[in-house]
Amino acid sequence: EPEVTQTPSHQVTQMGQEVILRCVPISNHLYFYWYRQILGQKVEFLVSFYNNEISEKSEIFDDQFSVERPDGSNFTLKIRSTKLEDSAMYFCASTKGVETQYFGPGTRLLVL
Amino acid sequence: AQSVTQPDIHITVSEGASLELRCNYSYGATPYLFWYVQSPGQGLQLLLKYFSGDTLVQGIKGFEAEFKRSQSSFNLRKPSVHWSDAAEYFCAVGGVYNTDKLIFGTGTRLQVFP
Repeated sequence: EPEVTQTPSHQVTQMGQEVILRCVPISNHLYFYWYRQILGQKVEFLVSFYNNEISEKSEIFDDQFSVERPDGSNFTLKIRSTKLEDSAMYFCASTKGVETQYFGPGTRLLVL
Repeated sequence: AQSVTQPDIHITVSEGASLELRCNYSYGATPYLFWYVQSPGQGLQLLLKYFSGDTLVQGIKGFEAEFKRSQSSFNLRKPSVHWSDAAEYFCAVGGVYNTDKLIFGTGTRLQVFP
């Protein structure tokens, strides 16, 4: 069964550094999402992306964040200058648009 | 704006006992509703979803959920819990379109005693 994949599974970075989290959505899906989950808290929506542009973003998704679909298969989340509070599990999700969102296994980001 | 409430932060049951996890939502119309399960350090696995039609929906692993419009609830049930069901359970609400973002509840941690 097709799956959403994410790399890396874990990333440790220093505060102020840039990180890029990568996702490969299911191949015929058209809608893409990033969510995050701070340890012990609920999953929060960050951004949705369709037709090569952002459809919706949350208040969390400020100017430090950006998303891109660089090559038709990858979907990336970039954090320009990481802060301690960016430490979280980041989930990518995708959907064809006629059924539910499928989630990837997540990337655990730790900012030191 | 949509919101989801899971009033039980932590539930403990004995193996073989029945289970009900509560979920209430707030939304102007009938939204898409979901239950996801998350094992420690793992991703989110979809248990079941409600879009329309029959208000009792069956999911994987023997779970079911009932949508009650009058109570704005979507409670998850299982008649007999197994030790492997120990995990965190999240209720989520979408919008009226299944491409809308998901809003998650705070989760219920299920502990199962032998």
